[in-house]
Order: sequence, then C-alpha cells, then structure tokens
Amino acid sequence: ETGVTQTPRHLVMGMTNKKSLKCEQHLGHNAMYWYKQSAKKPLELMFVYNFKEQTENNSVPSRFSPECPNSSHLFLHLHTLQPEDSALYLCASSQPITAGGVTDTQYFGPGTRLTVL
Amino acid sequence: AQKITQTQPGMFVQEKEAVTLDCTYDTSDQSYGLFWYKQPSSGEMIFLIYQGSYDEQNATEGRYSLNFQKARKSANLVISASQLGDSAMYFCAMSYAWADGGSQGNLIFGKGTKLSVKP
Repeated sequence: ETGVTQTPRHLVMGMTNKKSLKCEQHLGHNAMYWYKQSAKKPLELMFVYNFKEQTENNSVPSRFSPECPNSSHLFLHLHTLQPEDSALYLCASSQPITAGGVTDTQYFGPGTRLTVL
Repeated sequence: AQKITQTQPGMFVQEKEAVTLDCTYDTSDQSYGLFWYKQPSSGEMIFLIYQGSYDEQNATEGRYSLNFQKARKSANLVISASQLGDSAMYFCAMSYAWADGGSQGNLIFGKGTKLSVKP
C-alpha cells in the first residue's frame, strides 16, 4: 500500500450506532488530519495530530472522538451521530508541523462517505 | 482572518485547450503557502501544485502552472492542453503560520471550481 488509505470507503449508520473510521499513511509523515466535507461547503478541518499529540480541535462536537496511537494511524470514533453529520470524511498527512512554520503539503486519502440515517 | 475565494463555481473547456481557474486569498501574514488540489468524483483530494509566499518564480508541475501575483493576492491555476481526465472539482487552499509564531497546520480551502472538459 502506498500513500494514504482510509477504511471503510462507505458507511451507513443509525443515530444510535457506534462506528470507527480508520486512516493509515505510508509516507513516513508525523502529522495527520481529519477533515469534513459537506455538500456545498468548504472543507472543514476537524482535528490535527503532530507526533501523536492532538494540537487542534476545531470546535468539533464530542460525538466525534479522534485517536492517534502512532504516527501512521489515525482513527475517528463516531457515536450518536446526527443526520447533518452525513458527509465525506477525509484524512490527510504531512511532514511534522513546526512552530512558526507554514504547514507542509498535505496528502489526502480517498475519504469515507458517511450517511447517518 | 485568512480567506480563500474561488469565484467560478463551474467552468467548461474544450479538450486540448488551456484553462485558468481563479483563486484570490486574503491574509495579513507574510509567510504562507498556496496549494491547488483536484478532487475527482471518487472523492480523493489530489495535490497538484504548491507556491510559497517567498517564491519569486511561478510554480510549475507538468501541465499545471500557478500564476502567482502577490500584490493582487491571486494564485490562479493554469492547466495547459486540457484532457478529459481533468474533469473534476479544483480547490485552492492556503496555509499560514500563526502571528505568535505557532503553526497549527491549518489549511484554509475555497469552495472549489467544477471543471468540465468537453471532447
């Protein structure tokens, strides 16, 4: 496998379900990101991890819970979601974020298309 | 606040012709980066090209070039010799460092331009 992979590619869940999205990067990066892409809205940054430490939580509701066990893997745990959470969830990775520096190029996975019924 | 504006929701181009996708940005930072990504209907966001705010030369990558006009705060993407496979959404994005020296790795995205290449 090369680049950034995400599983599952499609997910349908009820509002009471608990599910997890998985992201894996094979690029040797140390920063990983979760984005949400809703219809007709710009991409929204959700979470940022740098060297496994969460550095950004962009006012995301607690029903979304990220986990980064190592620099290669990133999870997004979902529980009691709402229909408005239906969207494409994209994972990305980059070289480490440095203080005072501009973020390096972010490479994205194919996304998980989530539908909440 | 940082902002990216893409004013063309959709564009058509004839195969083999060149096309320019517009992007303007707003920032008071001196250090920032500008990116273009392509998103086919499959959903993956594909990195195309990068321009740093201090780069004096316009970036080029194969058929892609970035027309960087710093004073006008514009970073238009030029695709030469369009191909049918170029049909996709195109997003302009900007990264920046916080004024206090911190960097959170934020990328600000525009709303995108849907490019359709006609045979």
